[in-house]
Amino acid sequence: EVQLEESGGGLVQPGESLRLSCAASGFTFSSYWVSWVRQAPGKGLEWVANIKGDGSETYYVESVRGRFTISRDNAKNSLHLQMNSLRAADTAVYYCVRAQYGYPGVYFDSWGQGTLVTVSS
Amino acid sequence: EIVMTQSPATLSLSPGERATLSCRASQSVGSNLAWYQQKPGQAPRLLMYGASSRATGIPARFSGSGSGTEFTLTISSLQSEDFAVYYCQQYRHWHTFGGGTKVEIK
Repeated sequence: EVQLEESGGGLVQPGESLRLSCAASGFTFSSYWVSWVRQAPGKGLEWVANIKGDGSETYYVESVRGRFTISRDNAKNSLHLQMNSLRAADTAVYYCVRAQYGYPGVYFDSWGQGTLVTVSS
Repeated sequence: EIVMTQSPATLSLSPGERATLSCRASQSVGSNLAWYQQKPGQAPRLLMYGASSRATGIPARFSGSGSGTEFTLTISSLQSEDFAVYYCQQYRHWHTFGGGTKVEIK
C-alpha cells in the first residue's frame, strides 16, 4: 500500500522559512516523480512543484519559483520542500503526492494527508 | 497559463440520480485531463486520467469523456459516498486545476 506522510508544518511569520518533509513507503520511491500540491483554507488545489525520480529535473509554479526548493533523498525514501521568504498567500495545507508521468505532464495518483502551513504575524 | 473552468459550481441531486460535471480548458489540452474527488477533511483521490481512464479501484459508475477543451465527468447513479467536491486538472502544459464542483444532497 502506498503511504505518504507529511511533517514540518506550523505557524511562521511572513519572511520566515520552513522545511516540509514527506516519508514515502509501499512503492519504489526512486522510480516516480513526486510533487507538492497545496490547498488554501476553503479553496481549490494548486500544484506547487515536481521532482523527477532521479532528482535531475525540478519544476515550480511561478508564484514560488526562487523561494521554494523541492528535493528528495532516494536512500531514505523522503521528499522535502524548503520554503523561504514565506508570505501570507502561502498559507495552505501542503500535500505530498506521487505522480504518474502522462507526457508532457503528470497527474497525481496517491496523496498524503497533508500538513498545514500558516503564515501570519 | 491554461485556465480550467468547472461548471456548475454546485450540483444538488438525490441519491440514484445521474450527475454530469463539466470542465473547460482555455486552450487545448488534448486528453491530458484528470479528475479528483475530495471529501471534507480528506485528501483528494484520483478518479480518472487521460480524460477517460478510470484509476485503480474506481467504480464503473464513474466515467469521463472529452478531448481538447471540453470534458465531462459522469456519475451514472449517485451513491451516498459520492457527495463530495470534484476537481479537474490538466497536465498538458504545467499543471492547473479547476475551481471544483460540489455535488451535494438535494
